[in-house]
Amino acid sequence: DTAVSQTPKYLVTQMGNDKSIKCEQNLGHDTMYWYKQDSKKFLKIMFSYNNKELIINETVPNRFSPKSPDKAHLNLHINSLELGDSAVYFCASSLRTGGGGNQPQHFGDGTRLSIL
Amino acid sequence: SQQGEEDPQALSIQEGENATMNCSYKTSINNLQWYRQNSGRGLVHLILIRSNEREKHSGRLRVTLDTSKKSSSLLITASRAADTASYFCATDAGGAQKLVFGQGTRLTINP
Repeated sequence: DTAVSQTPKYLVTQMGNDKSIKCEQNLGHDTMYWYKQDSKKFLKIMFSYNNKELIINETVPNRFSPKSPDKAHLNLHINSLELGDSAVYFCASSLRTGGGGNQPQHFGDGTRLSIL
Repeated sequence: SQQGEEDPQALSIQEGENATMNCSYKTSINNLQWYRQNSGRGLVHLILIRSNEREKHSGRLRVTLDTSKKSSSLLITASRAADTASYFCATDAGGAQKLVFGQGTRLTINP
């Protein structure tokens, strides 16, 4: 009964490959997010969707493409992976947007992406 | 750029002692949140404090907010080994539709 679940937990792949990370939340939340946490633990938002609509798109290379088939799912596809993409990627959800700071966010346990 | 910056970056105390972590931010805010991250896990929400609140409690946690100094503190009383984790503050950066996180304080509780 995990609230926010991401798959896979670990992803080890070669430079230049394309990979996807999946996220699902069973909390009935309207808003979902993707974050990137680097080796220094700095957590930065990448994308946010509210009820399947993209509302935040930070300065992220267009090799990263989020897709939200419904409000319970937000997937992240990454093309042409580079060494600098190595990080932990977190999915999160919140009850609603209207100021991202208004609501607690619930995080998945992360996907550890390592580029060889 | 980072909105919140935690201080200290690392803190090591004995079990039973109190732990205080500080967060400073740059722009005005509507809300500030504190999160905990255990090693290898996702962030867990602890407390949300609104800009018109000065103090908030939850169990052994006490959060204060001073908007005039653009700072907040998280106090954990009677610390336990299970409190070992990284603690992050996050702000809405003046109503932006996102949270902006600091780099966290790494707290170690020694038995």
